[in-house]
Amino acid sequence: DAGITQSPRHKVTETGTPVTLRCHQTENHRYMYWYRQDPGHGLRLIHYSYGVKDTDKGEVSDGYSVSRSKTEDFLLTLESATSSQTSVYFCAISESGGDQYFGPGTRLTVT
Amino acid sequence: ELKVEQNPLFLSMQEGKNYTIYCNYSTTSDRLYWYRQDPGKSLESLFVLLSNGAVKQEGRLMASLDTKARLSTLHITAAVHDLSATYFCAVDIYSGNTPLVFGKGTRLSVIA
Repeated sequence: DAGITQSPRHKVTETGTPVTLRCHQTENHRYMYWYRQDPGHGLRLIHYSYGVKDTDKGEVSDGYSVSRSKTEDFLLTLESATSSQTSVYFCAISESGGDQYFGPGTRLTVT
Repeated sequence: ELKVEQNPLFLSMQEGKNYTIYCNYSTTSDRLYWYRQDPGKSLESLFVLLSNGAVKQEGRLMASLDTKARLSTLHITAAVHDLSATYFCAVDIYSGNTPLVFGKGTRLSVIA
């Protein structure tokens, strides 16, 4: 299995607080992705990275920011969490931009 | 804009039966991926299809790709309960850094 971890795995936070989720890989893959998964919506891409300090927006980027200062880490920040951001967040990595390997997910609840 | 449509979105089938899940996409591509997600778990890669006519099989699952029809199929043979999961297809238009586009997933339930 690809070496990819996410932290925290579960988090409950209050509306209006900032939250940072971390994705860490040991595979030295170039591409990293953040998705959210909600019932009825499948997987939706939030942001992705194609190299250190190279990131781009996905389908549902509003309210989220990302940073990638090292190859192995990709951080997702909810600047001011809202209840609509309650979701399961998956990180994924890819060596060449094709097949992706997914992390275990983070379940985030915003109350 | 690439659109990926899966059907059906929900499928309940009896053990021992055969069925096919369809993945249609709107833009030319010859790279398509299938993933499986068990309830409460992450996604895992099932099949990688990288050319027209590609066929991959593992156990009771077989995936194929017809790039001219912009269609991939995931065929289930003699379903068993362990195949109950959500199956996603994802298409790669391979234009620089463009990410995969996922279908909404097909939730498969195999019942006795």
